[in-house]
Amino acid sequence: GAVVSQHPSRVICKSGTSVKIECRSLDFQATTMFWYRQFPKKSLMLMATSNEGSKATYEQGVEKDKFLINHASLTLSTLTVTSAHPEDSSFYICSGVGERKETQYFGPGTRLLVL
Amino acid sequence: AQTVTQSQPEMSVQEAETVTLSCTYDTSESDYYLFWYKQPPSRQMILVIRQEAYKQQNATENRFSVNFQKAAKSFSLKISDSQLGDAAMYFCAYRSADFGNEKLTFGTGTRLTIIP
Repeated sequence: GAVVSQHPSRVICKSGTSVKIECRSLDFQATTMFWYRQFPKKSLMLMATSNEGSKATYEQGVEKDKFLINHASLTLSTLTVTSAHPEDSSFYICSGVGERKETQYFGPGTRLLVL
Repeated sequence: AQTVTQSQPEMSVQEAETVTLSCTYDTSESDYYLFWYKQPPSRQMILVIRQEAYKQQNATENRFSVNFQKAAKSFSLKISDSQLGDAAMYFCAYRSADFGNEKLTFGTGTRLTIIP
């Protein structure tokens, strides 16, 4: 299957700072990427969908000014958590689909802890 | 809106035995995709198997197979010859076949334990 990487794998930051998470498709061009949030022992919650070169589409209830998504190339999408607060602590996962758009391939996730 | 239901929060199976995980979904669409993803303790989501709704034949991948019942909107996963490495959370997911709508709708997951 296709490979998606995420960096960093875990990050600890102070409240009020911003954190950027990178998601890269390593062996395919991801025309669309997705960002999810997962709470412990829960399912994945879709935050937003991003298409290369366009603005992201956010799910209801997700603050677009807090979770900035950029999909500047076919292999890279970034999620920036701005002015992070302890309630933003979570596991963030990205995924991508290629041109055939049939299957999402997931990154390994990033664990964010805001102190 | 589509919904996916996994009614078994936890399942366990003896090593080398067979286990079936249930999934039902609700949709008004006629063409769509269904998936089973596995999330081991590492939390990496791994695709287990995929089924296209227009295909009547059930998908199989080695020890993993599905029982796809379109009329009943049921999509169960059978794991044969269970191995310790199969221990994980298993998520059933639905995706519309509409171009430009690749969002996945996930079920709540089933935690599978393998008993040595």
